[in-house]
Amino acid sequence: KNQVEQSPQSLIILEGKNCTLQCNYTVSPFSNLRWYKQDTGRGPVSLTIMTFSENTKSNGRYTATLDADTKQSSLHITASQLSDSASYICVVSEGDYGGATNKLIFGTGTLLAVQP
Amino acid sequence: DAGITQSPRHKVTETGTPVTLRCHQTENHRYMYWYRQDPGHGLRLIHYSYGVKDTDKGEVSDGYSVSRSKTEDFLLTLESATSSQTSVYFCAISGQLKRGGYTFGSGTRLTVV
Repeated sequence: KNQVEQSPQSLIILEGKNCTLQCNYTVSPFSNLRWYKQDTGRGPVSLTIMTFSENTKSNGRYTATLDADTKQSSLHITASQLSDSASYICVVSEGDYGGATNKLIFGTGTLLAVQP
Repeated sequence: DAGITQSPRHKVTETGTPVTLRCHQTENHRYMYWYRQDPGHGLRLIHYSYGVKDTDKGEVSDGYSVSRSKTEDFLLTLESATSSQTSVYFCAISGQLKRGGYTFGSGTRLTVV
């Protein structure tokens, strides 16, 4: 069964600290992997999208890595800010190409709280 | 979220009543999707559309129907709402065949009592 598992389920860190969120997947065929940020009461917003051949992608203070051999991804947040408090969702696209009708398999997210 | 709006944002309805949620986009994107988000589950696809009057089922389509009579509007209907349909519903749009970038709406919180 195609699955996306994220860890930890929740995390509390102090403002200014770094953190790393993990995503393991068992999705085949693999098309791409995305990380989304979801603020409370809002829809998910895309942070990064990586295909099979990309092993790192940055978006400001967010850096995602992908190891397609071990089927693992991580999202590293540098110098955290209070506004980083949100749920971070890992999503894997199942399919042979990055088509808009590919099935998306969503993780349940990591809830990050950044405290002052 | 820019280019995509959902209405209403919140709704409380009684069991057995019909409910329609609306998703409106101004991006002229071909693909539109309805998802539901529940605690302990990732977002799950209900239905999607790949063009005007072209729709298909997702993984949790039972009890839901959709319609798309215009490019900009995608309606989700619960014919007879049940308590198990209490959820947060998200609409998403995508215009890209390659890499399939999605933009999500802000969601509709539906409570069925």
